[in-house]
Amino acid sequence: EAQVTQNPRYLITVTGKKLTVTCSQNMNHEYMSWYRQDPGLGLRQIYYSMNVEVTDKGDVPEGYKVSRKEKRNFPLILESPSPNQTSLYFCASSPNRDGSYGYTFGSGTRLTVV
Amino acid sequence: KQEVTQIPAALSVPEGENLVLNCSFTDSAIYNLQWFRQDPGKGLTSLLLIQSSQREQTSGRLNASLDKSSGRSTLYIAASQPGDSATYLCAVRTFYGNNRLAFGKGNQVVVIP
Repeated sequence: EAQVTQNPRYLITVTGKKLTVTCSQNMNHEYMSWYRQDPGLGLRQIYYSMNVEVTDKGDVPEGYKVSRKEKRNFPLILESPSPNQTSLYFCASSPNRDGSYGYTFGSGTRLTVV
Repeated sequence: KQEVTQIPAALSVPEGENLVLNCSFTDSAIYNLQWFRQDPGKGLTSLLLIQSSQREQTSGRLNASLDKSSGRSTLYIAASQPGDSATYLCAVRTFYGNNRLAFGKGNQVVVIP
């Protein structure tokens, strides 16, 4: 089944403890992206990647890192999580960089930082 | 910067009524517009994708129209069912910017049995 898989689905962590949220797609998509969703603010882009080894900042990149060493994987790294990073995170992918074929989203990762 | 607005923010309808959800955007230079469904705390499921050159797309009971020049899209759901209760999100992909989808805040729908 064609899909975007995120892990874990739920995560509770403490301030300052490094964590990684994984994202993998099995559709050979070029483009991948991370969003966070917060009440009243909607979905906002964190980082995106046009292809392997090509990443760039979205609207809210502070406190996050990403890497794209393989086409299928795009992990989101929080080096020193803080409570304001408590959010619902989504990974998305698209066949090409202009999004002309639409986007597929993962099921989300609910992160709580205490 | 592309701004996307969805009206109404929330609505309740009795089962069997048709649903009409509105999305407006400020910049007409778009590649496409995509409608998603989100159940509480869950992921986004793509419903319909309309390219900028298209006027509408249909899938089953769902029909989405696009008027690019006026910056509007409408999602129609015919003969609503309780299972249609969810939040519906409109997302626009513009020609420029940082390769992101611009999302509205959603239409939260409750279909009353």
